[in-house]
Amino acid sequence: DIQMTQSPSSLSASVGDRVTITCQASQDISNYLNWYQQKPGKAPKLLIYDASNLETGVPSRFSGSGSGTDFTFTISSLQPEDIATYYCQQYDNLPPAFGGGTKVEIK
Amino acid sequence: QVQLQESGPGLVKPSQTLSLTCTVSGGSISSGSYYWSWIRQPAGKGLEWIGRIYTSGSTNYNPSLKSRVTISVDTSKNQFSLKLSSVTAADTAVYYCAREGAAGPYYFDYWGQGTLVTVSS
Repeated sequence: DIQMTQSPSSLSASVGDRVTITCQASQDISNYLNWYQQKPGKAPKLLIYDASNLETGVPSRFSGSGSGTDFTFTISSLQPEDIATYYCQQYDNLPPAFGGGTKVEIK
Repeated sequence: QVQLQESGPGLVKPSQTLSLTCTVSGGSISSGSYYWSWIRQPAGKGLEWIGRIYTSGSTNYNPSLKSRVTISVDTSKNQFSLKLSSVTAADTAVYYCAREGAAGPYYFDYWGQGTLVTVSS
């Protein structure tokens, strides 16, 4: 199985800050990488698919990049409504695997 | 707008079988190229994919759970179901059903709200 390692596991930033989360796959997954946002008590919501494609309706302050084993998720200007846990997910091989999550808080 | 809704007992005794159903509305479960998946999340922890079923009835399961999992579909009711046998406290989690495109790219675009299942005597 492919393992997904996210870092950091949590972070605290100020409104307006640039926030970056990394995700590393245990083997090459090309660009088969998605990013989700999960708010407390809610189901995850797709933000980015195929490493860098923004899902329809998702604000442009969210972006993703990377290929192979190393991926980056960025919030260009953190907003109060972005408080959530973010997960990466690979779909190159079954089973689909999620990273451990990054909890983003406001400083 | 597709909607998914999980239903089933919130409390299951150890060694028994957990049974959940996901009802799909806003579209036919048989139309289009989609997988219908189950994903779970223990409290305060990450997401674990359990398995999926295609509209044809073909299934894929997480090897870590394969011996205990059965996913089935009832197209007449627009539902798909999860059975997890021989449960223990480690199976206590919020269980989500979700839709995944089967023609690429593969992502979970619609999710149910989730249902908490507690395994306890």
